[in-house]
Order: sequence, then C-alpha cells, then structure tokens
Amino acid sequence: ETGVTQTPRHLVMGMTNKKSLKCEQHLGHNAMYWYKQSAKKPLELMFVYSLEERVENNSVPSRFSPECPNSSHLFLHLHTLQPEDSALYLCASSQGDGSGAYEQYFGPGTRLTVT
Amino acid sequence: GQNIDQPTEMTATEGAIVQINCTYQTSGFNGLFWYQQHAGEAPTFLSYNVLDGLEEKGRFSSFLSRSKGYSYLLLKELQMKDSASYLCAVRDSNYQLIWGAGTKLIIKP
Repeated sequence: ETGVTQTPRHLVMGMTNKKSLKCEQHLGHNAMYWYKQSAKKPLELMFVYSLEERVENNSVPSRFSPECPNSSHLFLHLHTLQPEDSALYLCASSQGDGSGAYEQYFGPGTRLTVT
Repeated sequence: GQNIDQPTEMTATEGAIVQINCTYQTSGFNGLFWYQQHAGEAPTFLSYNVLDGLEEKGRFSSFLSRSKGYSYLLLKELQMKDSASYLCAVRDSNYQLIWGAGTKLIIKP
C-alpha cells in the first residue's frame, strides 16, 4: 500500500535537535492529519489541514510545528522535544474538509525516540 | 468527558471465533469505525456502522447498538495473520473522531 507514505520510518533525536517528519499522500485527498500514538493509549489528533489551511490544533505544544505546502504534502517540524514525546507519529488523509466525515487512510508512521 | 472502552488484550485460537467489544460515551453519535493495525504498520479501515445492526464483510462482522452505546467486531475462522491491534473510533456530534486505546489480539496455533 503506497497511498500515504511517511519518512523517516524511525528517528532518534536528542532534546536539542531539530528534525522534520514528512508525509505524502497519492490519493487526491483534500484533508491531512497528524496523530500521536503512544503505547496503550488512544490515538491523539494533533493537527488537521484542509486544502492547505490548518483547521484544527488540539492544544499541541509549540515544539511541534506543522506545515502543509500543498494538498499532497504535510510536514511536522520538531525542536527541543522532551522524552515524553517519544511515540509513533501517524499521518492520515481523507476526502472532504477534515471534519472527520470520511474514512481516513493512514501512513505507516514514524517511530520517534527522544533521548 | 468522552470515552471509548475496549479490552487491552485478548487471546484466541486459530480457526476459532473471537468478539472484541467496544463501549462508548460521547457527545452525540455520527458513526463508529473499526480499524486493524499490525505491529509497526498503518491502521487500515475494516468497517463502518451508523445504524443499529450487523454489517458482515467476509470473515469480519461489526455490530452496533446505539441505545446501549455498544459495538463489537466479530472475527470468524481466525488466521495467524489476524494477530493485530483493533481500534474502535466514534464520530461525535461535531464529527470529531474519538479513538479507543485498541485491543491487541493474539492468535495461538
């Protein structure tokens, strides 16, 4: 399945580093999402973009900064992260306006470890 | 607050049947999703229920009772490849998806 791709698949970074996660969707969707998935916890919605405009920001710390240059690409810029930010970061896309009305297609995720 | 409850882990035998339950308390209801997630992979869509009753799709079926705030995913003729986590998610009145923590299903030979 190559509908939604994410790079890198694994990332280890120190607390003072700056890195970026990349997501690309090849499905012609208008909406893209960033989720955080921690062990044994529900998926946490971080950001939603619809037609390159941010439509939701769920009280995410400013050390996470999203960017959506076009409807096919989504980035998550990371800086001065904390160890508790270690998790699987999932990107998803869907039809529609990002309201959750349509089925979401997920990428394989980036496993982030903050040391 | 909004809450989705599902068992943390279940074990079943190859060839058998298993039922994974999901109960929810949300601000309104606009549909319930089940996703499958193999370890290290993306969640993939399994089923969607918005009306009461049973939806069958091959070896997998999903049931919904809106009055009870309850759904289950039924897996028949279990195969080793069914070992995965199963995520329940409910869309509330604002069309926000509320996710459960997932049920890890272990299949034994």
